Amino acid sequence: AQKITQTQPGMFVQEKEAVTLDCTYDTSDPSYGLFWYKQPSSGEMIFLIYQGSYDQQNATEGRYSLNFQKARKSANLVISASQLGDSAMYFCAMREGTGNTPLVFGKGTRLSVIA
Amino acid sequence: GAVVSQHPSRVICKSGTSVKIECRSLDFQATTMFWYRQFPKQSLMLMATSNEGSKATYEQGVEKDKFLINHASLTLSTLTVTSAHPEDSSFYICSAREWTGSNQPQHFGDGTRLSIL
Repeated sequence: AQKITQTQPGMFVQEKEAVTLDCTYDTSDPSYGLFWYKQPSSGEMIFLIYQGSYDQQNATEGRYSLNFQKARKSANLVISASQLGDSAMYFCAMREGTGNTPLVFGKGTRLSVIA
Repeated sequence: GAVVSQHPSRVICKSGTSVKIECRSLDFQATTMFWYRQFPKQSLMLMATSNEGSKATYEQGVEKDKFLINHASLTLSTLTVTSAHPEDSSFYICSAREWTGSNQPQHFGDGTRLSIL
């Protein structure tokens, strides 16, 4: 079964507008972490934001915020004031447990910012 | 911040060649590193977990004799694609985490684009 589901293969947003990228996850482990990464066409993976399963507040990092709905098992990424440079693939990922376990990635969403 | 260096960034070679990819943690020690493979327009798929001083743990469906992993030191893991064929052409990317704390992100190398002719 898919542990991370990103249902939007592609999204378009107007420059300066906000956009929400969806992510749902599946785990029975009470301790887990959720991450968002950006991958531009050059291929490198850029860490954006983290949300822990026990965190009470939604994570924010500059223009990025994470809408964490634990009961719904969703961790949507919100990008405010979109910029042309935000055009890239965005991956939601999860790490289960507290050990040195690897990240498992969703299929990604391609975001295109339009001028 | 923590940096992971991966080399080479691009390899083009003939079928049957073995290719070694290096992954180094530049300013931290990594007892564990992770190797992922990404086909065009797809997600990152975990191939194996590389453990310093011990055998790597391979994901189901990944041939350990095909993809040799050596993690000889706390800052270096290597992936060797043995007798590579065109179907092995892909983007290979390594990753490591500085601490084992759950909130630490995995830092990624810049990846290696492997093209087998």
